[in-house]
Amino acid sequence: ETGVTQTPRHLVMGMTNKKSLKCEQHLGHNAMYWYKQSAKKPLELMFVYSLEERVENNSVPSRFSPECPNSSHLFLHLHTLQPEDSALYLCASSQEATGGQPQHFGDGTRLSIL
Amino acid sequence: DAKTTQPPSMDCAEGRAANLPCNHSTISGNEYVYWYRQIHSQGPQYIIHGLKNNETNEMASLIITEDRKSSTLILPHATLRDTAVYYCIGLDSNYQLIWGAGTKLIIKP
Repeated sequence: ETGVTQTPRHLVMGMTNKKSLKCEQHLGHNAMYWYKQSAKKPLELMFVYSLEERVENNSVPSRFSPECPNSSHLFLHLHTLQPEDSALYLCASSQEATGGQPQHFGDGTRLSIL
Repeated sequence: DAKTTQPPSMDCAEGRAANLPCNHSTISGNEYVYWYRQIHSQGPQYIIHGLKNNETNEMASLIITEDRKSSTLILPHATLRDTAVYYCIGLDSNYQLIWGAGTKLIIKP
């Protein structure tokens, strides 16, 4: 499925680097999400955007900074990350910003912090 | 918040029906149950959802018990490509999905 595209697919960075993850959806959806998937842990919802406004922030550390310039694009800016931030970061979109709407996921960015 | 319980793993023979159970005894009367799956190295994929009636689509069928305390996802003719982790999910108080560990389904030839 190519409705939600995430780049890069893999990223290795040091703790002092600054990088950004990009997500783009071609489905005409109004809501976009960032999730974190760590090994042996359930998916954790990080941020929810509805019509480019952040509607949910699940106590995510400030070293993760989301940006939604329009309803088709979502970024996750990273700076001063910790080794425990190594994980798969998944982007999703849905028609509206409630869990009741089917969410379409990208294939994620595998992030490794050295 | 809706809580779900699933077996950690299951096997099924290729071509047979795969029946994946889920317990959700604390779900309230107006809460849907959602099923997603995640194939290795891919993002999760929506399968189906239901409230109290049985549901069917091109991917699967969902059977919900009358008391709504449990449900079963049925893949009628499992193929090797159906090997994945299957998640039975409810919503939290903010109407967002609550993800658990899921069931790892292995389809064997």
